[in-house]
Parts: sequence; structure tokens; C-alpha cells
Amino acid sequence: SQQGEEDPQALSIQEGENATMNCSYKTSINNLQWYRQNSGRGLVHLILIRSNEREKHSGRLRVTLDTSKKSSSLLITASRAADTASYFCATARMDSNYQLIWGAGTKLIIKP
Amino acid sequence: DTAVSQTPKYLVTQMGNDKSIKCEQNLGHDTMYWYKQDSKKFLKIMFSYNNKELIINETVPNRFSPKSPDKAHLNLHINSLELGDSAVYFCASSHWGGNEQFFGPGTRLTVL
Repeated sequence: SQQGEEDPQALSIQEGENATMNCSYKTSINNLQWYRQNSGRGLVHLILIRSNEREKHSGRLRVTLDTSKKSSSLLITASRAADTASYFCATARMDSNYQLIWGAGTKLIIKP
Repeated sequence: DTAVSQTPKYLVTQMGNDKSIKCEQNLGHDTMYWYKQDSKKFLKIMFSYNNKELIINETVPNRFSPKSPDKAHLNLHINSLELGDSAVYFCASSHWGGNEQFFGPGTRLTVL
């Protein structure tokens, strides 16, 4: 079942610009995770933010979580061509055996 | 060293055949998963095993049967393959508790 919805579905920006992707979900969660998938590859975990956290950073990545709005955003600063990929959010809930519920993904294209 | 490996990477077969996909992880995780990703990139959980016990079994045709001989392996056997089974199947593993998941490279199954 799909809980998360990413917005936008696709995003194309110039190299060096910042990219922002949003994720909304429907139920209470224990944590929210962001993953990247390069074309033809498996998913790679980027960052995990717990329900009691509001913001988290990792390198050029910044994730925010607003549990009152049931939404999260992923900001990639100073984008590079290598950031071209699909980005997925996924939520985990203890009462569903921590099953990850996935969004449909945002396809990000960085133009050189 | 590959953390999560799957074999084969590509699988092309005729309708009605039976096939297996193997997955192994060397990360010492206690939980393993099978996902199906369709042509629209939707990622759907199929099964989850924790310490060799089936934890999550989503609505999947009983033609799909997972088997976990030990904590490091989770195989997927598919009987009587149908056209709609064509997809990319990902294996993943994690420590139990909604932690980050590590994905294999995927197996692209094409049923003719």
C-alpha cells in the first residue's frame, strides 16, 4: 500500500541550484526515511528522521519533518549531475511491524 | 565486498515456468525483505522475515513462496509465472525496528 506521496513527480534543475522534494503521509509514524535510486540500480538509504526530530542534516542533504502536517521535505543543496536519480520517501510504524510504506518517488534531473 | 547480493540479475522466461531468485546479505542483519518494483517505479513490499520467521506477508499470490534457510539468506520461488509478474524484484536487509534498509541490485524478471 502506498502511504507517502512525493511532490513533485519530476523536477529538472540546473547544476548548482538547490532541489527540494516533498513527501506527505497519512498515519502516525515512528520514522521517515529518504532513499535514492539511480537508473537500473537498487535503492540507497540517504537519511532517517525520527518522529520526535524536526530537522536533520547529512552533507548537502537537509531533511525536515512536520508531524502536525504529516509531511517531510528533502533539500539537496548545490546540486551536481551525479544527483540525477529518483528519490523516495518511506515511513515506518511500529504497529505494522515497521513495514516501510513507500511513496511514488520524485525523478530529479540535474542539467549540466 | 557486496553487502546484499541477488542472483540472477536478469531472468527471461516463458509463461508457466517456475523460477527462483536468491538473496544473500553479509551485514549481520536479522531482517530481510522482498520488494517488487513495477514499470511505474512503485515499490511494494512482498515479504519480510525476521530471524527466519515470516513477519510480513502482503497480499501476494500464493505462487510466490519465500524461503529463509538462515538469517543471511532469503530466496524467492515463483511458480507458474504470468505476464504480470514481469518487474524488478529487490531484496533488502536491515536490523529489526524500522532501521535503514540495504538493497540488493535487483533482479529484472521478464515473462514472455
